[in-house]
Amino acid sequence: GIQVEQSPPDLILQEGANSTLRCNFSDSVNNLQWFHQNPWGQLINLFYIPSGTKQNGRLSATTVATERYSLLYISSSQTTDSGVYFCAPSRAYSGAGSYQLTFGKGTKLSVIP
Amino acid sequence: DSGVTQTPKHLITATGQRVTLRCSPRSGDLSVYWYQQSLDQGLQFLIQYYNGEERAKGNILERFSAQQFPDLHSELNLSSLELGDSALYFCASSVAGSAGRDTQYFGPGTRLTVL
Repeated sequence: GIQVEQSPPDLILQEGANSTLRCNFSDSVNNLQWFHQNPWGQLINLFYIPSGTKQNGRLSATTVATERYSLLYISSSQTTDSGVYFCAPSRAYSGAGSYQLTFGKGTKLSVIP
Repeated sequence: DSGVTQTPKHLITATGQRVTLRCSPRSGDLSVYWYQQSLDQGLQFLIQYYNGEERAKGNILERFSAQQFPDLHSELNLSSLELGDSALYFCASSVAGSAGRDTQYFGPGTRLTVL
């Protein structure tokens, strides 16, 4: 299966700071999602981004599939951004329409006031 | 709110017992996925159903089984429970169209504690 490596494993930010989270993956992928797991355990979709760049408010993501990495940018961080950020690439099984997300171990972000 | 519902939210049971977790996908989604999140294994894909049929299998133990019903809700059955089965179990759903380029939406999870 795909190997997924996320860095850094832990990150502490002062409120208002910017950060970049990285996700490296070992194989060709057909799509990739970024998730935020909040302190209550809920997994929230941030981006579906198999390639290119997307932006949503203070968050943006870039995937360079040919070089097998994706980046998540958080600008002007807020305490509500705290939690764990997961990268999850996927590739197709031999049968069409079958996709399996493989999760990295995540980056634990703590934003302090 | 992702639109995916899971019941129960919490479940406490004893070793050797059997439990059933339930998931209702988002309206219109045909695929249901089950994941397990534990401290030592992280988030792992267990199994996927598409329109009532098993589509893909991940790291699912033989003691675990799942099914998807005609109304598209799904159940994950865990039997002969062990302490190590304590985890957060997520259900996700997606449209799973022919292109397969789906966003998966996750439910709130069921926290299982085996004592």
